[in-house]
Amino acid sequence: NAGVMQNPRHLVRRRGQEARLRCSPMKGHSHVYWYRQLPEEGLKFMVYLQKENIIDESGMPKERFSAEFPKEGPSILRIQQVVRGDSAAYFCASSLTPGQGTYEQYFGPGTRLTVT
Amino acid sequence: GEDVEQSLFLSVREGDSSVINCTYTDSSSTYLYWYKQEPGAGLQLLTYIFSNMDMKQDQRLTVLLNKKDKHLSLRIADTQTGDSAIYFCAEKYSSASKIIFGSGTRLSIRP
Repeated sequence: NAGVMQNPRHLVRRRGQEARLRCSPMKGHSHVYWYRQLPEEGLKFMVYLQKENIIDESGMPKERFSAEFPKEGPSILRIQQVVRGDSAAYFCASSLTPGQGTYEQYFGPGTRLTVT
Repeated sequence: GEDVEQSLFLSVREGDSSVINCTYTDSSSTYLYWYKQEPGAGLQLLTYIFSNMDMKQDQRLTVLLNKKDKHLSLRIADTQTGDSAIYFCAEKYSSASKIIFGSGTRLSIRP
């Protein structure tokens, strides 16, 4: 049973470009979470999605950031017009439906975004 | 409010016990977690404890929860070099989807 998969593992973008980060949840998991880790800091929640629905986006910056989890395919975190402050590690996690067993969120290996 | 605090560094001798401490502010937290992050890697869930428990033991790991003081600790017995990592304390309450993380404690092992 493959774990949470993220790609690319490393991404370099110039200021002003777009960054697309992909996350495939664990098999059987229908809930996806995105977190951002700035250097030397803990993880900060960004957004929680189910298939075709954004459930909680309270941690998403209001501009330039968007997320989706389509019916088919991976979840995508999209950052438009990247700036140097977007450089961070972006982690995806997935879980079973909360309330139907474990509340554990399983994390992927992360995508390390560097903006030059 | 939501806040999880940890000390930034801990150094222990190989073979000794490591104790990593954490305080949290949200008394409605239902689940408290310990994650391990090795350099350049993702987060590995080590263990978690429900808020109605005082203690949980899993092999070399012991988690202690003091709800009155909102204090959580992780004890690693017989610390090995492979335990070198950053350890994150985190909390979640059942009505929320997000996990709130501390800033992590960097554990280093000296011979």
